[in-house]
Amino acid sequence: SQQGEEDPQALSIQEGENATMNCSYKTSINNLQWYRQNSGRGLVHLILIRSNEREKHSGRLRVTLDTSKKSSSLLITASRAADTASYFCATDAYSNTGKLIFGQGTTLQVKP
Amino acid sequence: DVKVTQSSRYLVKRTGEKVFLECVQDMDHENMFWYRQDPGLGLRLIYFSYDVKMKEKGDIPEGYSVSREKKERFSLILESASTNQTSMYLCASSLTAGHRGQPQHFGDGTRLSIL
Repeated sequence: SQQGEEDPQALSIQEGENATMNCSYKTSINNLQWYRQNSGRGLVHLILIRSNEREKHSGRLRVTLDTSKKSSSLLITASRAADTASYFCATDAYSNTGKLIFGQGTTLQVKP
Repeated sequence: DVKVTQSSRYLVKRTGEKVFLECVQDMDHENMFWYRQDPGLGLRLIYFSYDVKMKEKGDIPEGYSVSREKKERFSLILESASTNQTSMYLCASSLTAGHRGQPQHFGDGTRLSIL
């Protein structure tokens, strides 16, 4: 079952521009996570935001969470060609088991 | 750094074969996961293990089984491989989550082709 739905499915920008990806989910959550996947590789964890947090920063990444709208956004500022990858949100669907439900991802292309 | 190692990056097998995919993590994580990733379908959980010899079915367990005899190793078994099991298989591990959550650490994946 798909919990997270990312929007847009694909995004193409120039180096130096900001990239914003959105994620919507359906059920209550304890936390929401964002991952990056380079082509042909595994996923890499970027950031975790808990349900009682509204915003979190990590380097050039900014994540927001609006639990009333069941949505989150990932902003990458001053993007670089190396940011080209697929980005996934994942939620725990209010479970303490450690299982995550992943969205289908946003494919980001940053042109040099 | 956590390292999750999958035994093969690429694997080609024939229909009807029994296929073993191995995954080893080096950080004493309780939880281990097997996903398959297909274009347009995202990551789908096949099986989950929260302790040695403990397992739980995910969303798409049909045609698969798992084994976790040691904490660091989680094996995915395709009992009788079929062409619709051609996919990218990803293994992940994490600490026990609780309500605060824990990140999952992924291996680089095994791209499996069933001919």
